[in-house]
Amino acid sequence: AQSVTQPDIHITVSEGASLELRCNYSYGATPYLFWYVQSPGQGLQLLLKYFSGDTLVQGIKGFEAEFKRSQSSFNLRKPSVHWSDAAEYFCAVGARGGSQGNLIFGKGTKLSVKP
Amino acid sequence: EAGVAQSPRYKIIEKRQSVAFWCNPISGHATLYWYQQILGQGPKLLIQFQNNGVVDDSQLPKDRFSAERLKGVDSTLKIQPAKLEDSAVYLCASSLELGFYGYTFGSGTRLTVV
Repeated sequence: AQSVTQPDIHITVSEGASLELRCNYSYGATPYLFWYVQSPGQGLQLLLKYFSGDTLVQGIKGFEAEFKRSQSSFNLRKPSVHWSDAAEYFCAVGARGGSQGNLIFGKGTKLSVKP
Repeated sequence: EAGVAQSPRYKIIEKRQSVAFWCNPISGHATLYWYQQILGQGPKLLIQFQNNGVVDDSQLPKDRFSAERLKGVDSTLKIQPAKLEDSAVYLCASSLELGFYGYTFGSGTRLTVV
């Protein structure tokens, strides 16, 4: 069965510092991979996605993620965090074929930013 | 382009009462999804529609939850009777067709069952 693990429940970084949020997935083949951000009381906003091709994916708000097949990982990075990045971040996988459209989410990582 | 609209934004009900949520997807999106997000967890798919037909409802608790999309546009999700453990945010999403292109989430409805 597909699953997504986000090992870090809560991360605190200083403004201007770099950020890496970890995501590992379990899937029999290469899935579609996504990172979403959710601010309090808001829906989910797509940061970036990987379908195929270049394994380093650029997204909105200066975020990037790298797909590493050998490690079953899709970690999210940002070189310099801004206070407005404080939110909850979700990694998700989507199946190729079969139940297309069903996103399997991790439990999320809450990001706090220190001034 | 208008996004996915959901209402109400918040709802508080007592256990054993019924409640309904409404979703209006992005115009032209054939596929509509309902997710449940319990506090501290990621969203979980409840049901998926393609036009007005159900594609996947394997995780919908059918003894108390029901959903419909009669004209292939708007959708309603109903809970009857509600339990305390149904307290969650209910998110609606839509996409152009089956798959992940144009996948967009609404702001959700926060349900509290007391």
